[in-house]
Amino acid sequence: QVQLVQSGSELKKPGASVKISCKASGYTFTSYAMNWVRQAPGQGLEWMGWINTNTGNPTYAQGFTGRFVFSLDTSVSTAYLQISNLMAEDTAVYYCARRITIDYWGQGTLVTVSS
Amino acid sequence: DIQMTQSPSSLSASVADRVTITCRASQGISNYLAWYQQKPGKVPKLLIYAASTLQSGVPSRFSGSGSGTDFTLTISSLQPEDVATYYCQQYNSAPWTFGQGTKVEIK
Repeated sequence: QVQLVQSGSELKKPGASVKISCKASGYTFTSYAMNWVRQAPGQGLEWMGWINTNTGNPTYAQGFTGRFVFSLDTSVSTAYLQISNLMAEDTAVYYCARRITIDYWGQGTLVTVSS
Repeated sequence: DIQMTQSPSSLSASVADRVTITCRASQGISNYLAWYQQKPGKVPKLLIYAASTLQSGVPSRFSGSGSGTDFTLTISSLQPEDVATYYCQQYNSAPWTFGQGTKVEIK
């Protein structure tokens, strides 16, 4: 069965970096786009962008350029989200999610940024 | 960017009531619209895509309609397990944008 398994919760200080992994199984990894979605505490869903799992080409939504990087390791069917220069407002749950109309979601990774 | 506006932001209805949630796009998106359900503390779940196509396994009391700029999600007979926040999402043009959500509660 299709699964997206994300890495565990992170507690980081402002200015640090974090890299979240999303390991896919149960399907051909390169057959579907991978999205990243953010949900701040008590807030709605925010689409951050997506990465073409065939070409590795990322597309970032406005507000997620510069400090946010999507990457892949297709040899292990894994997508990554790296966030640099973390700020308090980056505190959120980050989801990886398959396909444009998202049929499978990772379980979410809580990133807490606090001094 | 295309803005998606949902209404109402929240609603309270009785079990067996018919519930309708509206989603309006700031420009035409054809039928490139999906609806998701997120129960408290859970991961979102795809209910409907292409505005009106029910995702496999989703109960038939959920339905979607609309095209262009105006869309609706209808729950024909509200059940206690439908307590959740519902989001629309357009995928006509990047960035794919979500509505702000509609919280559904039982009266």
